[in-house]
Amino acid sequence: NAGVMQNPRHLVRRRGQEARLRCSPMKGHSHVYWYRQLPEEGLKFMVYLQKENIIDESGMPKERFSAEFPKEGPSILRIQQVVRGDSAAYFCASSPGVSGEAFFGQGTRLTVV
Amino acid sequence: QKEVEQDPGPLSVPEGAIVSLNCTYSNSAFQYFMWYRQYSRKGPELLMYTYSSGNKEDGRFTAQVDKSSKYISLFIRDSQPSDSATYLCAMSAKAAGNKLTFGGGTRVLVKP
Repeated sequence: NAGVMQNPRHLVRRRGQEARLRCSPMKGHSHVYWYRQLPEEGLKFMVYLQKENIIDESGMPKERFSAEFPKEGPSILRIQQVVRGDSAAYFCASSPGVSGEAFFGQGTRLTVV
Repeated sequence: QKEVEQDPGPLSVPEGAIVSLNCTYSNSAFQYFMWYRQYSRKGPELLMYTYSSGNKEDGRFTAQVDKSSKYISLFIRDSQPSDSATYLCAMSAKAAGNKLTFGGGTRVLVKP
């Protein structure tokens, strides 16, 4: 049973470009969460999605950030017009939804130059 | 005041010692409690999961939850150098969609 798969593992973008981060949840998991870890800071919740629905986006910046979890394919976190402050590790977690257990991927490390 | 407080450490112990970690929290709605281990530049790895108050043991790991005191603990027995990592407590409430609120993490160093 493969774990949570995230790609790419490392992503370098110039200021103003778009960043697309992908997450495939564990088999049988229909709940996906995105978290951001800034250097020397803890993990912060961004958004919670189920298939084709955004359930809670209270942790997402209001502008430039969006997320989706289509019926087919991975969940996507999109950051438009990236700025240096977006440089961070972005982690995806999946859960079966019944319990509170959440399993994390290895993350995507975004560097904005 | 942060919703979940965790001593950042670093916590340095000799090999074979017991590692004691803890977190306090303020939100009484939390009902699921987890401990994660995170190695440098890796994703958090779920170590222990507990629902509500009580104790849970898994190998060298013991997790304790005291909801009346809003206090959770993780004990690592017979610590090994490979246990050197950052340990994160996390908690959630079903009513809030089980989104995790994390402590800041404690760095642990087990010296051979």
